[in-house]
Amino acid sequence: EAGVVQSPRYKIIEKKQPVAFWCNPISGHNTLYWYLQNLGQGPELLIRYENEEAVDDSQLPKDRFSAERLKGVDSTLKIQPAELGDSAVYLCASSLDGGDTQYFGPGTRLTVL
Amino acid sequence: AQTVTQSQPEMSVQEAETVTLSCTYDTSESNYYLFWYKQPPSRQMILVIRQEAYKQQNATENRFSVNFQKAAKSFSLKISDSQLGDTAMYFCAFMKHGYGDYKLSFGAGTTVTVRA
Repeated sequence: EAGVVQSPRYKIIEKKQPVAFWCNPISGHNTLYWYLQNLGQGPELLIRYENEEAVDDSQLPKDRFSAERLKGVDSTLKIQPAELGDSAVYLCASSLDGGDTQYFGPGTRLTVL
Repeated sequence: AQTVTQSQPEMSVQEAETVTLSCTYDTSESNYYLFWYKQPPSRQMILVIRQEAYKQQNATENRFSVNFQKAAKSFSLKISDSQLGDTAMYFCAFMKHGYGDYKLSFGAGTTVTVRA
């Protein structure tokens, strides 16, 4: 069974540029999460989807971050414009339903110059 | 809000030896889950073990076992017969049980290095 797929694995951009990350969850998993992981720290939740509905986006900086999961499967997380402080690893996770064990993808390491 | 504390930033262990990682948490919830995740240099966060708070029996997965002390809010991980492939950062995580808040709250992590 394929795990959570994320792309790209690495991204380097100039500040003020836009950037997008893509996630494909484990087949059949209804719940999808985006986490932010700063260097040397544990991940922190940005947004959680139940199917196509964003049910918890309280930690998402909505002035520059946006996310979508249009058909309840793949998801895209976007930053526009990127700032130096956005340099981090962006992790996607999925679970069968909310409350089940979360399985993580390999993450995207973003560097903003 | 739940807080998870891992007081050991780094641990080093000789191959085949045993190492124990500590984790404490603060919550007013009575029903919850606790997890240990492993994150090797490749960055893939891998589930090591999961414990339901209502279960008194400590979870085990092969060489990995936990010591869950609910009253003390303590959840330590023991790695037995350490292998070079166990070298990674280990995160303790908490999740409430019940409808609503299903986010994982992570500790800061413990870097484990297994020496040959």
